[in-house]
Amino acid sequence: DAGVIQSPRHEVTEMGQEVTLRCKPISGHDYLFWYRQTMMRGLELLIYFNNNVPIDDSGMPEDRFSAKMPNASFSTLKIQPSEPRDSAVYFCATAPSGGAGETQYFGPGTRLLVL
Amino acid sequence: AQSVTQLDSHVSVSEGTPVLLRCNYSSSYSPSLFWYVQHPNKGLQLLLKYTSAATLVKGINGFEAEFKKSETSFHLTKPSAHMSDAAEYFCVATRIGFGSNSGYALNFGKGTSLLVTP
Repeated sequence: DAGVIQSPRHEVTEMGQEVTLRCKPISGHDYLFWYRQTMMRGLELLIYFNNNVPIDDSGMPEDRFSAKMPNASFSTLKIQPSEPRDSAVYFCATAPSGGAGETQYFGPGTRLLVL
Repeated sequence: AQSVTQLDSHVSVSEGTPVLLRCNYSSSYSPSLFWYVQHPNKGLQLLLKYTSAATLVKGINGFEAEFKKSETSFHLTKPSAHMSDAAEYFCVATRIGFGSNSGYALNFGKGTSLLVTP
């Protein structure tokens, strides 16, 4: 298995531009999570899906952020318009069904820099 | 509210000496607990996890952790550090809320940076 795949790995953009981050989960995993990592705030859960349905988006910082999962093989996290304070590493993670103790498998992350 | 506290932001050990990374959680229940490791510019990799079975959990690369409910602790240890162990380590706990899906959300500690010197 290729693991969780994220693209792009690095993104540099200017303030005000739209940014789209992509994630391909491990096949058969029913849960997909989006996290953000910064020096100041550490790792934060933004949103997670179960069977393509958003379950908890309480971590999404504001309306500029949106996430979709149109099918079991693909998810996007979009920032529009982007701001310098959005600069961070964004991780996608997936997990199988089975209960709270299931392991989450993380992708390599997308390093976003907003100038 | 549930939280995870990693007691040291940085730990430095010499190669071949024991490693201890401390973690406490606060909660009215017993969550599932995990330790993840993050090497520079990499994603997070699971080291080990506790899910209410044996309280002493063995993980990869010689790491282990012991769940102590009375102390609400889940410290990570390794008998002998290797240079390749230098990384950021995260203690993680499941959240509990209403509904069967809530356990999947995780709370992360702030991380402990492990430095291994020759």
